[in-house]
Amino acid sequence: KAGVTQTPRYLIKTRGQQVTLSCSPISGHRSVSWYQQTPGQGLQFLFEYFSETQRNKGNFPGRFSGRQFSNSRSEMNVSTLELGDSALYLCASSSRVGRNEQYFGPGTRLTVT
Amino acid sequence: DQQVKQNSPSLSVQEGRISILNCDYTNSMFDYFLWYKKYPAEGPTFLISISSIKDKNEDGRFTVFLNKSAKHLSLHIVPSQPGDSAVYFCAATSAVGTGTASKLTFGTGTRLQVTL
Repeated sequence: KAGVTQTPRYLIKTRGQQVTLSCSPISGHRSVSWYQQTPGQGLQFLFEYFSETQRNKGNFPGRFSGRQFSNSRSEMNVSTLELGDSALYLCASSSRVGRNEQYFGPGTRLTVT
Repeated sequence: DQQVKQNSPSLSVQEGRISILNCDYTNSMFDYFLWYKKYPAEGPTFLISISSIKDKNEDGRFTVFLNKSAKHLSLHIVPSQPGDSAVYFCAATSAVGTGTASKLTFGTGTRLQVTL
């Protein structure tokens, strides 16, 4: 079974721009979660989608948004980028049968200059 | 407020010996705990998990122990191998069995180095 894939792997943007990151979950997984990893804050939960609906949301500003498509693929968008948004953005998927093990993709490294 | 804490940022262990990684949590609503391993430039890899109804779960060289009264869990790796060198994160969540995954709250990680 193919793992979680994320595109692009690396991205450089300038302040004020917006960015869209993409995640394809493991086949059959319907839950997709997004996390931000920074050296100062560690791994922090952004949001979770299940069946195209946002089920959970972390403590991030409204500039961070996401969506999920009918094929379970997900995108996250960050608008009006700030220098502090530079981070590794990780996507994780899990099955719907009450298991909480989440399987992570390799991440997208976003650098904001 | 750090709800999941890994107080040892690093640990060095000789090959063949036991590695013990510790994790403490403060939120009594957490009822499911997981350990992940992370190599640089890769996403975390799921290792082992434990539900709060158990106090031990074993999978090969990896054993996780949970002490609910102390709000403490630990990961034992026996025997340790050089390939185990990585950053280990513990994570916690609640609302098991809802049919969806819930958000994971991660600790800050412990860097394990297994030396020859």
